[in-house]
Amino acid sequence: SQTIHQWPATLVQPVGSPLSLECTVEGTSNPNLYWYRQAAGRGLQLLFYSVGIGQISSEVPQNLSASRPQDRQFILSSKKLLLSDSGFYLCAWTSPGRLPEAFFGQGTRLTVV
Amino acid sequence: AQKVTQAQTEISVVEKEDVTLDCVYETRDTTYYLFWYKQPPSGELVFLIRRNSFDEQNEISGRYSWNFQKSTSSFNFTITASQVVDSAVYFCGLVDNYGQNFVFGPGTRLSVLP
Repeated sequence: SQTIHQWPATLVQPVGSPLSLECTVEGTSNPNLYWYRQAAGRGLQLLFYSVGIGQISSEVPQNLSASRPQDRQFILSSKKLLLSDSGFYLCAWTSPGRLPEAFFGQGTRLTVV
Repeated sequence: AQKVTQAQTEISVVEKEDVTLDCVYETRDTTYYLFWYKQPPSGELVFLIRRNSFDEQNEISGRYSWNFQKSTSSFNFTITASQVVDSAVYFCGLVDNYGQNFVFGPGTRLSVLP
């Protein structure tokens, strides 16, 4: 069965420090991968999505970047965190060629202090 | 560009009342899929329903029902006889036929009071 792993679950980082959040998917090939951010009390903002290795689409210009070094690995990064980067980050995947449904990771709660 | 609007930011009802959550979408695609997800306080997103753009039949699942109207680009969600456990944030979502560019509305926070 397909599963999605996202870590860490919580993270507290100082302003100006780097960030790396990792997401991996098991049990499927060539998934579409997504990073969403949910600020406190707000909706889901699509940050990046990827349809293949090295292919990244950015929906919102920001302090973050994404990379997909392997088929089932999606990484969210920042060189220098801002206070406004605090939020709940969710990784998700959908499987092309099937009835689409987004499967979500458990999320990472990032607090920038 | 695809867009989903959920005009109701927060709704409060008393247990056993019926409640409808509105969802309006925009897309240039002729084939697409609409979704509803539930986000309880724990944070994970729980899949509720998927509907493709060619199927306008309304659907009922227990206390949940969905009304898809292509003419008004709406996909509303009704909970009948609400319960406290229904309290959550509900997201309406839209994705193209290839499962790419999956976007969500801002969510509606539903509070069901005992």
